[in-house]
Amino acid sequence: EPEVTQTPSHQVTQMGQEVILRCVPISNHLYFYWYRQILGQKVEFLVSFYNNEISEKSEIFDDQFSVERPDGSNFTLKIRSTKLEDSAMYFCASSIQIYYEQYFGPGTRLTVT
Amino acid sequence: DAKTTQPPSMDCAEGRAANLPCNHSTISGNEYVYWYRQIHSQGPQYIIHGLKNNETNEMASLIITEDRKSSTLILPHATLRDTAVYYCIVRANRDDKIIFGKGTRLHILP
Repeated sequence: EPEVTQTPSHQVTQMGQEVILRCVPISNHLYFYWYRQILGQKVEFLVSFYNNEISEKSEIFDDQFSVERPDGSNFTLKIRSTKLEDSAMYFCASSIQIYYEQYFGPGTRLTVT
Repeated sequence: DAKTTQPPSMDCAEGRAANLPCNHSTISGNEYVYWYRQIHSQGPQYIIHGLKNNETNEMASLIITEDRKSSTLILPHATLRDTAVYYCIVRANRDDKIIFGKGTRLHILP
């Protein structure tokens, strides 16, 4: 069964450093998403992406964040200058069509020290 | 904010049916009921969704009341691997994002 994959599984970085989280969505899916979950809290929507453009973004997704689909298979989330409060699990998701069910990857645990 | 109300936790004996309730009294006509679950530290997993008819797939059944103000997710024969947080989500057919609430923490007891 096709699945969303994410790398790395765990990323440790120092405050102020840039990080790039990588995702490979399910191959025939067209819509891509990033969510995050701070330890012990709810899963929160960050951004949706379609046709090489951001469709929607939350208040969390400020200028420090960016997304890109650099090739036909990868979808990345970049945090330009990490803060302690960016420490969280980051989940990538994809769906075949907009408003359809979304399939999530296993997540990347980001720890900012 | 989440438009659903779920009990914070539930227990179910292994092998029995797990019935997880959800209230969504303010649901609109164009809003679907989705269920996801999250096994510890993993990504949310899609289970099932429906609009007004009952739905069944290989994982679960979804029973939606006639007035659509509540629903029940049924795991017919719960196993220890079904221990997870279960999220009931109301999502309009124009909503791209999923808004997660706190969900129900389901414990399957051996």
